[in-house]
Amino acid sequence: GENVGLHLPTLSVQEGDNSIINCAYSNSASDYFIWYKQESGKGPQFIIDIRSNMDKRQGQRVTVLLNKTVKHLSLQIAATQPGDSAVYFCAEKTSYDKVIFGPGTSLSVIP
Amino acid sequence: GAVVSQHPSRVICKSGTSVKIECRSLDFQATTMFWYRQFPKQSLMLMATSNEGSKATYEQGVEKDKFLINHASLTLSTLTVTSAHPEDSSFYICSAREPWANEKLFFGSGTQLSVL
Repeated sequence: GENVGLHLPTLSVQEGDNSIINCAYSNSASDYFIWYKQESGKGPQFIIDIRSNMDKRQGQRVTVLLNKTVKHLSLQIAATQPGDSAVYFCAEKTSYDKVIFGPGTSLSVIP
Repeated sequence: GAVVSQHPSRVICKSGTSVKIECRSLDFQATTMFWYRQFPKQSLMLMATSNEGSKATYEQGVEKDKFLINHASLTLSTLTVTSAHPEDSSFYICSAREPWANEKLFFGSGTQLSVL
């Protein structure tokens, strides 16, 4: 497959603080990007998406930033809560119409 | 959002047996579904694209004779792991696209396969 298995980086934040999760994507032709949240033993849950003709999009407590120049994506979570603890994946839709996942970041919220 | 149902959620089988996993789109028709595999503490790896009424498209390195995919209807795709071995133990996840959005993928709850 296109992904290489990597061990998950981790991010620990204090409850109430803002979290920033970063992701570098690989394909400059990708035109659509998605952030997913995955809790243990469950499938990924859609959080927010952004098209390549945008550089910022906001949702409820979440903001996605896209920098196409350096192929970088970030997810900002405001006022992080214990329920936000999970693994977060960025994903890109390639020119072949496939959705490929990044390596993921494990977010741990400290009460 | 759209609902994708996956069954079973967990299966334990003996080495050499075959296991079938079902993926259903409950409230929409999906001409395309995707199958992913995930090992512990790793990312999701795309295995294959399942196309209704035609052959699945497999990613490089995925054995088509090992992982049989059937997408016989617009709401059901199945993945059969044939002659399973312990190295096939993994978390298998299916997904489907909302037809009205055409890009947003929704995922099933996954199937944890353990081969003894």
